Amino acid sequence: AQSVTQLDSHVSVSEGTPVLLRCNYSSSYSPSLFWYVQHPNKGLQLLLKYTSAATLVKGINGFEAEFKKSETSFHLTKPSAHMSDAAEYFCVVSDRGGNKLVFGAGTILRVKS
Amino acid sequence: DAGITQSPRHKVTETGTPVTLRCHQTENHRYMYWYRQDPGHGLRLIHYSYGVKDTDKGEVSDGYSVSRSKTEDFLLTLESATSSQTSVYFCAAGPVPGHEQFFGPGTRLTVL
Repeated sequence: AQSVTQLDSHVSVSEGTPVLLRCNYSSSYSPSLFWYVQHPNKGLQLLLKYTSAATLVKGINGFEAEFKKSETSFHLTKPSAHMSDAAEYFCVVSDRGGNKLVFGAGTILRVKS
Repeated sequence: DAGITQSPRHKVTETGTPVTLRCHQTENHRYMYWYRQDPGHGLRLIHYSYGVKDTDKGEVSDGYSVSRSKTEDFLLTLESATSSQTSVYFCAAGPVPGHEQFFGPGTRLTVL
């Protein structure tokens, strides 16, 4: 079965410094992978997706993620954090049948001024 | 996503009462999903639908039922609410399974 592990439940960075949110996945086939963001008391918004095209995926708001099959990782990065990036981030993998998405437990990003 | 709405947005109910949550989409997506979100668990799939009157169970379906009589509406029913069903419920929809889903704003349900 597919699974996702987000390695940090909380990450704290200063404004203007790089962001790294780590995600490892488990899948017996070539998965589709996603990052979603959830701002407080809001729904989820798609940041970016990997679906077996380019391994470096660019998303909205300056975020990007790199698919590394050998490491089974899909880490999310941003060169310079902004206060508005403070939110919870979810790494997501599609299941084998492609009908469902499997969510990680989430990483809460705090941005300090 | 502006095309997906949920009602009610907040509800407080008592143990043993039936509760129905509604999801409405304007994008004509074929696939619709109900999730619950609890701290430390991310989102867990309750039920999903792959077409009108076609539904299937997710990983946490016990105590929940769903119905989809029209493409745009997907209802989640708790037949007899329990305190363990206190959660935030999200509806989502998408055109293709296993690809991106678009989420509603959520319903916060409290069962006393």
